[in-house]
Amino acid sequence: QQQVKQSPQSLIVQKGGISIINCAYENTAFDYFPWYQQFPGKGPALLIAIRPDVSEKKEGRFTISFNKSAKQFSLHIMDSQPGDSATYFCAATDSWGKLQFGAGTQVVVTP
Amino acid sequence: DAGVIQSPRHEVTEMGQEVTLRCKPISGHDYLFWYRQTMMRGLELLIYFNNNVPIDDSGMPEDRFSAKMPNASFSTLKIQPSEPRDSAVYFCASSLRLAGTDTQYFGPGTRLTVL
Repeated sequence: QQQVKQSPQSLIVQKGGISIINCAYENTAFDYFPWYQQFPGKGPALLIAIRPDVSEKKEGRFTISFNKSAKQFSLHIMDSQPGDSATYFCAATDSWGKLQFGAGTQVVVTP
Repeated sequence: DAGVIQSPRHEVTEMGQEVTLRCKPISGHDYLFWYRQTMMRGLELLIYFNNNVPIDDSGMPEDRFSAKMPNASFSTLKIQPSEPRDSAVYFCASSLRLAGTDTQYFGPGTRLTVL
C-alpha cells in the first residue's frame, strides 16, 4: 500500500506550458517532502524538496506548493521544456529517513 | 566523485539461476539502500545498511533475496533462485546520513530480465 498517492500517472504538455503533479499523504509523521526526477535509463535524482513549515518553495522553473492541513503537495513546472520530459516522483520521509515514493508521473513536453 | 556505480547494467538470465547485482556507493557515505522498480509496484525499498550493517530488510520480498555489504565500498544483492517475477530495475543508492533531509544518490540501475 503506497503511503504517498500521486496523480496523474502521465501528462502531456506543450512547450512553454505548465505541468502540475499532485501528491497526497496520510502519515502526519512525515516531515520532509522531496521530488525526484528520473530520465530513461537513469536513476532518480533529487530535484527539489520542502519542509511542512513552508507553504511554497521555488527553484528556477520548479515550484513546490505545500498544504499541511490538507496533507497535499504539488510540483509545478513553469515554462515546460522538452528537456523536462522525464518521470517525476514525489516522496515523503519521517525522522527515520526512509523514503516513501509515489507511483510516479511521466511528463512529456511536446515541441 | 563518480557517483554510485552499479554492475552489470543489464542482466538476462533463466529462471532458477543465481543472480548477483553489485554496487559501489559514494565514498564517505554511511548509508546504502537497495530499491526495486517495477511498473506495477513503483519504487520499493528492499533493504538498507548503515556502516556496512543491515538495519532494515523488511522490504526484501522473499528468502530468495539476500544482501551483503562486506566493506564500506561494496555491496551485493543476490537472488537465488531467480524467477520471472523478479524482472525489474534494481537501484542502489547511498547517503551521508539517514536523516530525512539527506539526499539519497541513486546509481544508474541494473535491468534484470529473468526468462
